[in-house]
Amino acid sequence: GESVGLHLPTLSVQEGDNSIINCAYSNSASDYFIWYKQESGKGPQFIIDIRSNMDKRQGQRVTVLLNKTVKHLSLQIAATQPGDSAVYFCAENMEESGGSNYKLTFGKGTLLTVNP
Amino acid sequence: EAEVAQSPRYKITEKSQAVAFWCDPISGHATLYWYRQILGQGPELLVQFQDESVVDDSQLPKDRFSAERLKGVDSTLKIQPAELGDSAMYLCASSLRAGPYEQYFGPGTRLTVT
Repeated sequence: GESVGLHLPTLSVQEGDNSIINCAYSNSASDYFIWYKQESGKGPQFIIDIRSNMDKRQGQRVTVLLNKTVKHLSLQIAATQPGDSAVYFCAENMEESGGSNYKLTFGKGTLLTVNP
Repeated sequence: EAEVAQSPRYKITEKSQAVAFWCDPISGHATLYWYRQILGQGPELLVQFQDESVVDDSQLPKDRFSAERLKGVDSTLKIQPAELGDSAMYLCASSLRAGPYEQYFGPGTRLTVT
């Protein structure tokens, strides 16, 4: 079936560097994407979202890029800080058949470790 | 800032026992979701409510799991009887309405079945 996946399960960066977390999705019908951050023992925390009619969206220190041609999503974190250490999930939202429901499907996650 | 509340935060139970989780979504959010998250994996949807109605329970193991949202506000997820494979994090989320909108997650309930 359709799935959302991540290229790299772990990413280790130095404090102050920029981080890039990648995500591949396979469902061309997906029209909304979300990046979540999950710290150990906590629920996922919304970071940023993007709709399929956009290629790029910026937040505070974060940027999401969407390439619909190759079905690729990335999260860029500028000036990565130790507090950014967490598991990052991309999720795609797709309208189910009949238009009665949208379903959010998560990828497996990438563990980001920031070294001081 | 409004948050999704869940209780308990941790639950240890023996297999074959019954267990229940509670969720209070953000006020005014019509859509409520229950997810299960196995360690190292992303959350997987179990059931979705729109107000008090179930709109998607296709992934809910209905022989042992049940969920309700009687007044369209808070919700309860029950497992009876619990099995060892049910050990996981159970997450509740809510959104203003169904569709391509941000889902806000609660802190989750960590269930351990022994």
